[in-house]
Amino acid sequence: DAKTTQPPSMDCAEGRAANLPCNHSTISGNEYVYWYRQIHSQGPQYIIHGLKNNETNEMASLIITEDRKSSTLILPHATLRDTAVYYCIVYAGGTSYGKLTFGQGTILTVHP
Amino acid sequence: DTAVSQTPKYLVTQMGNDKSIKCEQNLGHDTMYWYKQDSKKFLKIMFSYNNKELIINETVPNRFSPKSPDKAHLNLHINSLELGDSAVYFCASNQNGQGMGGYTFGSGTRLTVV
Repeated sequence: DAKTTQPPSMDCAEGRAANLPCNHSTISGNEYVYWYRQIHSQGPQYIIHGLKNNETNEMASLIITEDRKSSTLILPHATLRDTAVYYCIVYAGGTSYGKLTFGQGTILTVHP
Repeated sequence: DTAVSQTPKYLVTQMGNDKSIKCEQNLGHDTMYWYKQDSKKFLKIMFSYNNKELIINETVPNRFSPKSPDKAHLNLHINSLELGDSAVYFCASNQNGQGMGGYTFGSGTRLTVV
């Protein structure tokens, strides 16, 4: 699976949009981009995933560049409860059988 | 209802002991996993079971033995515990063996070996 690069930490003001970038320049055509987050002392939580098109759900939006070499997770109105480590993972499935490879992620701190 | 539940939540034990962690999922998923998060917060997969069949077995010491009595349960037994086994262990499940779609993780078992 392709590696991803994320900034180690980011800050965001409560109520503002949090835009978390991820580089995955070696992504293959069949690899999806997944985002998870881990709030302190809890298990990772699935947020969203996408292949080529932008995706939106009740938690976030995922914007994937046309060349698919990078993506941005957008939390439209960040709250204090969104403070967490956010992981960007690329994954193709198939013979990987669910072997998600977590990197160091981005520590997002939402402040009042 | 908790989707993926692990017991116990905390486990403190002495070196050399044998302990088990249990995991159950009520999502009807086919595939279950054990992940380990060490003190540096890296999450690494240990094992994966699909419909009771072992699919992934990473380079984990053979002191760790997973057991899946049915597809809703995946337990982790650890023999001869060592200090380095101290970590948070997460169970997870996924709908199919391909791992597509989101995983659902349990809340973790914090193991401390003294």
